[in-house]
This record gives sequence, structure tokens and C-alpha cells, in this order.
Amino acid sequence: RKEVEQDPGPFNVPEGATVAFNCTYSNSASQSFFWYRQDCRKEPKLLMSVYSSGNEDGRFTAQLNRASQYISLLIRDSKLSDSATYLCVVTNNAGNMLTFGGGTRLMVKP
Amino acid sequence: SAVISQKPSRDICQRGTSLTIQCQVDSQVTMMFWYRQQPGQSLTLIATANQGSEATYESGFVIDKFPISRPNLTFSTLTVSNMSPEDSSIYLCSVEEGGRKKYEQFFGPGTRLTVL
Repeated sequence: RKEVEQDPGPFNVPEGATVAFNCTYSNSASQSFFWYRQDCRKEPKLLMSVYSSGNEDGRFTAQLNRASQYISLLIRDSKLSDSATYLCVVTNNAGNMLTFGGGTRLMVKP
Repeated sequence: SAVISQKPSRDICQRGTSLTIQCQVDSQVTMMFWYRQQPGQSLTLIATANQGSEATYESGFVIDKFPISRPNLTFSTLTVSNMSPEDSSIYLCSVEEGGRKKYEQFFGPGTRLTVL
């Protein structure tokens, strides 16, 4: 079983749609959780950290369920510029080593 | 967040040669990391490079193949030695800024390596 698993997609959605990505992780002692965004031929960029209480940043909402070892990202009112690969990232027990999921590709169409 | 640059941005190399990739940060950081992203794949951590100590390598990566230097808190190099086509990949350095952003890592633009 992979340490961090994501549905690779692609998710093809129209502009304005709401889309949700899920991610599961295997290490129950993982300390920190993140969503990164990676555009084609670019480096990953931190989108948001994921907190146990859930957190929201504009159109983006992240949720963490430690009991089920599950992380989600919800994007509301999708924009064309949201088209990218979204990487679920989990740290180790000490919190200092990142493990990346395979990424979920999102394509937002006009 | 820190501004990170890498040199070269891309290179095409012959098998059997070595390439050294530089990573420069505009502020002092304790933790620096080197990752590899193979075509169509996600990122895999090669090693952690802390100033003043030997790099710590992940399973599947060894110092002879990927020697790393970390001479100060703003700079690191990764060498890909005795290259083969299987080493064709994007190599990225990242830094952890610490403080309030503990465990958050920020990435350089990457070095796209093609080995013929």
C-alpha cells in the first residue's frame, strides 16, 4: 500500500463547479498535512496546511480526519486558473519529512 | 517565503558524466532538502542536507551516486554522478523556514536533467 494515495484523475469540470479531492495516508502517527499545487513544468507550491479542525482559505476548504486517515480538499466556484495537479502531502512522526501523494489532476473548462 | 534559485535550470548530459546542481536561498535556513521528480511521477525525497553535518539519505539513494554539500545556511549542491538515462528527471531543492511555518517546505524552480 502506498504511503499517500490519491485518485490521479483527471477531473474535468466546468467553470463554476465545486470539486473535491480525497487523499488517504498509511502512517497513523503523521504530524502535519498539506495540499500543494503543481502547474505543468513548474515546482510545487504550498496551497494550504490542513488542520484537525478543518480550515478554509477563500474558495478552498481542507479537512482532516485522523481516525480514518483521510484528507480532503474542496474547491468552490472553480476557475480556469485552478487547472493544475494537486498534491496531498503528509509528514512523518517527527514532522520533518514530507511524503507526497501521486497527485490529482484538475482541468477546469470554460 | 524564502526565494530559492537553482542552477542550471536544465541540462542535457551524456551518460557516464556528472552534473552538479546548485541551490541558493535568499535567507538562512536550517533544513534543506533535495527531491527527484521523474516524468509523470510525484516527488521523492533524496536526502536532507543540514549545515555542519553529513546529509541524510533516504532508502534507495546513496552518497556515492548523489553527493551533497551544504557549506553554509544559504547554499547547497547536489551532484548526480556517473549518469545514466534513468537519472533523467527534475531535481528540486526545498527549504523549511521553521518558526510559524514549521514543517512547511518551499521549493526551488527545479533542474530538468536529460541524460542521453
